[in-house]
Amino acid sequence: QVQLQESGPGLVKPSETLSLTCTVSGVSVSGYYWSWIRQRPGRGLEFIGYIYYSGKTNYNSSFRSRVTISVSTSSNQFSLRLNSVTAADTAMYFCARAEVAFGLGSYFNYWSQGILVTVSS
Amino acid sequence: DIVLTQSPGTLSLSPGERATLSCRASETVRHSYLAWYQQKPGQAPRLLIYGASSRATDISDRFSGSGSGTGFTLTISRLQPEDFAVYYCQYYGSISPTFGPGTRVDIK
Repeated sequence: QVQLQESGPGLVKPSETLSLTCTVSGVSVSGYYWSWIRQRPGRGLEFIGYIYYSGKTNYNSSFRSRVTISVSTSSNQFSLRLNSVTAADTAMYFCARAEVAFGLGSYFNYWSQGILVTVSS
Repeated sequence: DIVLTQSPGTLSLSPGERATLSCRASETVRHSYLAWYQQKPGQAPRLLIYGASSRATDISDRFSGSGSGTGFTLTISRLQPEDFAVYYCQYYGSISPTFGPGTRVDIK
């Protein structure tokens, strides 16, 4: 079955770059869209962006200047980089497979368990 | 951008009862691009419903979605102990999907 597992540091210093990788198993990344979503403590869910296996991306405008999502078909992974982080970026980060509706938004049918990233010096 | 509002904030019910959760959009939701998720503490959200009323794979038929336009409902017909959780609606008719603030269903 489709499984996603994120990896990366759980602690990042302010102004540095948050980097996470999501390893996909049970299916090839090829042919699908892959997404990052976060959930700040005690708050709801926030879409960060998605990437198609071809490299086409769509980012939430709230993050656009700071975010890069990339994909590696050879490793069956995709990654998130978020620059210039602050304490407000402290959150649980999830990777997910996205079902994109006719080039518009997407819903998410497979999720990772989530990784807590704390931004603190 | 469409803003989603969910009500009530918390729903306190007993096992076996019917739960009715509401999701209201600030503008008309195109093509019924509305999904529902369940999230339990310490777990990832789980997709329940997409397209406003289509159940996701392996989701019990106790869960049903309905609605159109600006008003949508998730109904859980007979609450089981494992159904007590937080439920989110999500709009995906624009390039940046948005989520509602959630409804908590807890045991009365």
